[in-house]
Amino acid sequence: DAGVIQSPRHEVTEMGQEVTLRCKPISGHNSLFWYRQTMMRGLELLIYFNNNVPIDDSGMPEDRFSAKMPNASFSTLKIQPSEPRDSAVYFCASSLEEGARETQYFGPGTRLLVL
Amino acid sequence: GDSVTQMEGPVTLSEEAFLTINCTYTATGYPSLFWYVQYPGEGLQLLLKATKADDKGSNKGFEATYRKETTSFHLEKGSVQVSDSAVYFCALIKAAGNKLTFGGGTRVLVKP
Repeated sequence: DAGVIQSPRHEVTEMGQEVTLRCKPISGHNSLFWYRQTMMRGLELLIYFNNNVPIDDSGMPEDRFSAKMPNASFSTLKIQPSEPRDSAVYFCASSLEEGARETQYFGPGTRLLVL
Repeated sequence: GDSVTQMEGPVTLSEEAFLTINCTYTATGYPSLFWYVQYPGEGLQLLLKATKADDKGSNKGFEATYRKETTSFHLEKGSVQVSDSAVYFCALIKAAGNKLTFGGGTRVLVKP
């Protein structure tokens, strides 16, 4: 299997622009997670989906952030408008099922820089 | 709330030295515990996990034992290699949950 695929790998944009990050989970996995990694806050969960339905979005920082999962093989995380404090590495992860015993498999991440 | 605390780095070692990274957690019930590793410029990879008390996870020479009595999940390796240089994250998922709660990460640098 190709693993979790994320695109783009790097994104540089200017403040105020819209940014869209993309994720393709491992085929057959039912749960998908978006994480953000920063030096100040470490790794934090933004949102997760199960069977394409958002289950917990309590980690989404504010209304500028939105996430969708239109089908089992694709998800997007959108920031509009972007701000410099959004600069971070964004990871997508997927797992076979929900639950504490399930391993989450991470993609390579998208490194976002907002100028 | 749930939390994971791990020793701050960086930890600098010579090749073939013994490595220990301490990890303690706070969570209700019986969470599952994980160690993830992040190599430079890459995403996180699962290193090992344990899902119940006294379980020992092991992989690539690394080991960690789920200690309920001390709420700990310390990572050990008997003889490190330069290729083990990475950032190591301890994490948990609580019994009824799906969210990984991570520690702050420990950077390990192994010198030849």
